[in-house]
Amino acid sequence: DSGVTQTPKHLITATGQRVTLRCSPRSGDLSVYWYQQSLDQGLQFLIQYYNGEERAKGNILERFSAQQFPDLHSELNLSSLELGDSALYFCASSVGVGPSTDTQYFGPGTRLTVL
Amino acid sequence: AQSVTQLGSHVSVSEGALVLLRCNYSSSVPPYLFWYVQYPNQGLQLLLKYTTGATLVKGINGFEAEFKKSETSFHLTKPSAHMSDAAEYFCAVSRRNSGYSTLTFGKGTMLLVSP
Repeated sequence: DSGVTQTPKHLITATGQRVTLRCSPRSGDLSVYWYQQSLDQGLQFLIQYYNGEERAKGNILERFSAQQFPDLHSELNLSSLELGDSALYFCASSVGVGPSTDTQYFGPGTRLTVL
Repeated sequence: AQSVTQLGSHVSVSEGALVLLRCNYSSSVPPYLFWYVQYPNQGLQLLLKYTTGATLVKGINGFEAEFKKSETSFHLTKPSAHMSDAAEYFCAVSRRNSGYSTLTFGKGTMLLVSP
């Protein structure tokens, strides 16, 4: 158990809908990262927040947005869903932002299925 | 831009045999290097990482990896495979001296261990 929690575990929805994925980081971690894992694209970094502020952006679509709240939990919002958005979405957390010392701890993921 | 290549989407070994999973990176400056493992229906777990210092890095579960700058490689090895090692393994890089710890992952290698 990494200490990172994600809800829900599974989500099934229809095209065009909007969903929210939630992540609670490990106690004491200030950074939260979101990743998408799909069969064709592999594991891709979406976005990072550090202590409430957006820190880095990866291959995140404009239909997707995220935020980190004062209690440090984070939500990833996916809207106007398409079939191709079906994937595993992982959240990870780390203490700070330095790559040399910061290990990212991954949550168990949310499996999104868009029908 | 950084990239990671993992040779072989699947590697099969017998229990007790040597495990060798290959990873090559492309980066103008040697990056920080990581190996993660993903067991079925679970999130990613850090096996080991190289940031600086000794180029042979020991990780959990008997795995180790060696950073070879001249070959731009960071191959993962284990002297003797166990059935419990069957999982998917991801090599990842992070930019050095960037102030960011976002990870770029390879496509992954599924390790199959037969009795």
